[in-house]
Amino acid sequence: EPEVTQTPSHQVTQMGQEVILRCVPISNHLYFYWYRQILGQKVEFLVSFYNNEISEKSEIFDDQFSVERPDGSNFTLKIRSTKLEDSAMYFCASSVKGLKNEQFFGPGTRLTVL
Amino acid sequence: AQKVTQAQTEISVVEKEDVTLDCVYETRDTTYYLFWYKQPPSGELVFLIRRNSFDEQNEISGRYSWNFQKSTSSFNFTITASQVVDSAVYFCALSEARDNFNKFYFGSGTKLNVKP
Repeated sequence: EPEVTQTPSHQVTQMGQEVILRCVPISNHLYFYWYRQILGQKVEFLVSFYNNEISEKSEIFDDQFSVERPDGSNFTLKIRSTKLEDSAMYFCASSVKGLKNEQFFGPGTRLTVL
Repeated sequence: AQKVTQAQTEISVVEKEDVTLDCVYETRDTTYYLFWYKQPPSGELVFLIRRNSFDEQNEISGRYSWNFQKSTSSFNFTITASQVVDSAVYFCALSEARDNFNKFYFGSGTKLNVKP
């Protein structure tokens, strides 16, 4: 069964460093998403991406964040200068269509900022 | 204001008991979707169900059932004859037409502990 994959599963970085989290969405999906879950808290929407551009973003998704689909398969989330409060689980998701279709989530990348 | 409220932070039951997880949502859209996801201790999010705002029919899938009531803005989830493997955090989520359904609003989750 096709699934969303994410790498790495766990990333440890120093405050101020740049990190890139990688996702491979399901191959025929057109909509891509990033969500964040701070430990013990709810899952929060960050950004949605369609047709090579951002379609929705939350107030969390400020200038330190960026997303990219550098090739036909990967979808990346870049955090330019990490802060301690960026420590969280980051989930990538994809859906066939934004409308109506459920989003399939990847296993997540746990980011720890020291 | 919270768009999705899961008032039960944590519930503990003994195996074989039935348990209902509550979800109350808030939206001004007439067209929206509601979802339940399961997050086991391993951390991934597992899709359980999607329900659109025009379909109030209750759904049963094995030991799982869902009760959608627009009059009370609730979308409750019942597990019948719970099992230890049901232990997880369960999230209710909402997506709205105003965002082209491109954004999920998650509740804070209910942690279910099923003891043997």
